[in-house]
Amino acid sequence: DTGVSQDPRHKITKRGQNVTFRCDPISEHNRLYWYRQTLGQGPEFLTYFQNEAQLEKSRLLSDRFSAERPKGSFSTLEIQRTEQGDSAMYLCASSLGRYGQETQYFGPGTRLLVL
Amino acid sequence: GDSVTQMEGPVTLSEEAFLTINCTYTATGYPSLFWYVQYPGEGLQLLLKATKADDKGSNKGFEATYRKETTSFHLEKGSVQVSDSAVYFCALSGSGVSSGSARQLTFGSGTQLTVLP
Repeated sequence: DTGVSQDPRHKITKRGQNVTFRCDPISEHNRLYWYRQTLGQGPEFLTYFQNEAQLEKSRLLSDRFSAERPKGSFSTLEIQRTEQGDSAMYLCASSLGRYGQETQYFGPGTRLLVL
Repeated sequence: GDSVTQMEGPVTLSEEAFLTINCTYTATGYPSLFWYVQYPGEGLQLLLKATKADDKGSNKGFEATYRKETTSFHLEKGSVQVSDSAVYFCALSGSGVSSGSARQLTFGSGTQLTVLP
């Protein structure tokens, strides 16, 4: 199976620490999205890459958050100085950007708990 | 901005009952519409989609029809099974202003479905 993978699946950290998550998209997909999902809610968009370029960021993405996608392959999402409000599931999705026919495929997510 | 309003849950049904989960949307242009399913402890899986008005998406016995006149995309299944127990999310993807535009998904809040044997 060559679906979207994310690592780690779970992360517990103390407030103020930095954390980094990794996403490996489906190999031929040029678009990559990050979402955040809190308990009982639908996922909310954080940021988007087309190849290696970060083209859009949500207002939800504070200055403590940074994402990269070097060489247009895997992506990392880093949260600096974590806060308890950062506790959530972080989801990555990838797609092949055919205009009007795009379908996003999601990874299993990384569940973050900030103590 | 774009938004999705989804039938609030939780929904509890007996096996073989008929399922409807309502979904309405607000969007500019011509969005694509999706239903995703999330099983316990897992990520989102695409259930079905429709990309233009009057399209019907279907998969695993589930169906939804893109109704532009009522801005709706209700999910239906004629006979649910215990294995259908999960959280169901309705979502839309904007049409974008150019081929490079982000087409992030806007999700509803999800409907928890429990099917009892």
